Amino acid sequence: DIQMTQSPSSLSASVGDRVTITCQASQDIRNYLNWYQQKPGKAPKLLIYDAFNLETGVPSRFSGSGSGTDFTFTISSLQPEDIATYYCQQYDNLLVTFGGGTKVDLK
Amino acid sequence: QVQLQASGPGLVNPSEILSLTCTVSGGSTGSSSYYWGWIRQPPGKGLEWVGSIFYSGYTYYNPSLKSRVTISIDTSKNQFSLKLSSVTAADTAVYYCARHVFRTRFDPWGQGSLVTVSS
Repeated sequence: DIQMTQSPSSLSASVGDRVTITCQASQDIRNYLNWYQQKPGKAPKLLIYDAFNLETGVPSRFSGSGSGTDFTFTISSLQPEDIATYYCQQYDNLLVTFGGGTKVDLK
Repeated sequence: QVQLQASGPGLVNPSEILSLTCTVSGGSTGSSSYYWGWIRQPPGKGLEWVGSIFYSGYTYYNPSLKSRVTISIDTSKNQFSLKLSSVTAADTAVYYCARHVFRTRFDPWGQGSLVTVSS
């Protein structure tokens, strides 16, 4: 199975800060990686698919990059409504695994 | 737009079968463009994919759960269902259903259904 190591597990940042989350795959997954946002008590919401494609309607302050084993998710300027937990998800070899999540809160 | 809603018993006895149904509106489970999936999340923990199904009935499952999971589909009712057998407290989780786009990303998700395994 492909393991996804997401870091950090939590972070605190101020409004306007640039926030970066990384996800590392245990083997090459090409660009087969998605990013989700989950707010407390809510279902996850797709933000980025295939490593760098912004889902329709998602603000442009969110972005993704990377390929192979190393991926990055960035919020260019953190807003109060971005407080949430973020998950990466890979789908190489047609099986699905999620990263452990990164909880983002306000400093 | 497509909406999904999971439903089923909120409490299941240990060793019994957990059963949930996901009803899809605004879209068709009979579409050849999508799979339909189940993902679970234990309280306070991360996400775990359970399995997915195609309109034809083709399924594929998380290897760690495969021996206990059955996912089925009823395109006439626009529903798909999850059965998980021999449950233990470790199966206590919010169970989400979601559209599985080309077996890649999950979008959208239903609101989730909390299932507690306890006697």
